Amino acid sequence: KNQVEQSPQSLIILEGKNCTLQCNYTVSPFSNLRWYKQDTGRGPVSLTIMTFSENTKSNGRYTATLDADTKQSSLHITASQLSDSASYICVVSPFGGATNKLIFGTGTLLAVQP
Amino acid sequence: EAGVTQFPSHSVIEKGQTVTLRCDPISGHDNLYWYRRVMGKEIKFLLHFVKESKQDESGMPNNRFLAERTGGTYSTLKVQPAELEDSGVYFCASSQARSPYEQYFGPGTRLTVT
Repeated sequence: KNQVEQSPQSLIILEGKNCTLQCNYTVSPFSNLRWYKQDTGRGPVSLTIMTFSENTKSNGRYTATLDADTKQSSLHITASQLSDSASYICVVSPFGGATNKLIFGTGTLLAVQP
Repeated sequence: EAGVTQFPSHSVIEKGQTVTLRCDPISGHDNLYWYRRVMGKEIKFLLHFVKESKQDESGMPNNRFLAERTGGTYSTLKVQPAELEDSGVYFCASSQARSPYEQYFGPGTRLTVT
């Protein structure tokens, strides 16, 4: 079972609308939680990084929240644009050890339609 | 500043052949990571270099995979002999030697084994 689960698997919204993507994780303890955007044929690009002590982090129209008690995170996209169409991946970095490896979710595929 | 580059962008080989993937990290980044996404699955960690040393290779699937980072600059990932299940997209990422170790990803190499 994957340690990072995301929902929904895919989502279609109209341009200008808002949406919220969900992430549940079982990685514990963890160092930080990240949200990445991955366009088709490209590598993932970091949107936000939150440590376990942070509740929210914004990057333009993207706002991530974190509840370390319930092990849940969300990514809210405001006033969506066509260029927001991509896969959004929740990623957790475990705490401890000498490595900085990342544990990826399967992603939410977002399609923004005009 | 140039980003992480990977070569080739796409490789098609027959089962049993050898393929070598190359990754050039961002200049000055001591940390270099290899990840892989097989079809329909999440991106998974393969290994982590700190300079020329392997910090964590717990994700390497088997001894057909050999990663090197001579001189602590670029890295190569060799698959020999390739099997059908090795098909996927191989990503390289690099980060500086300080928390939160923001990882910058390359565009990936799509490997198809026929």
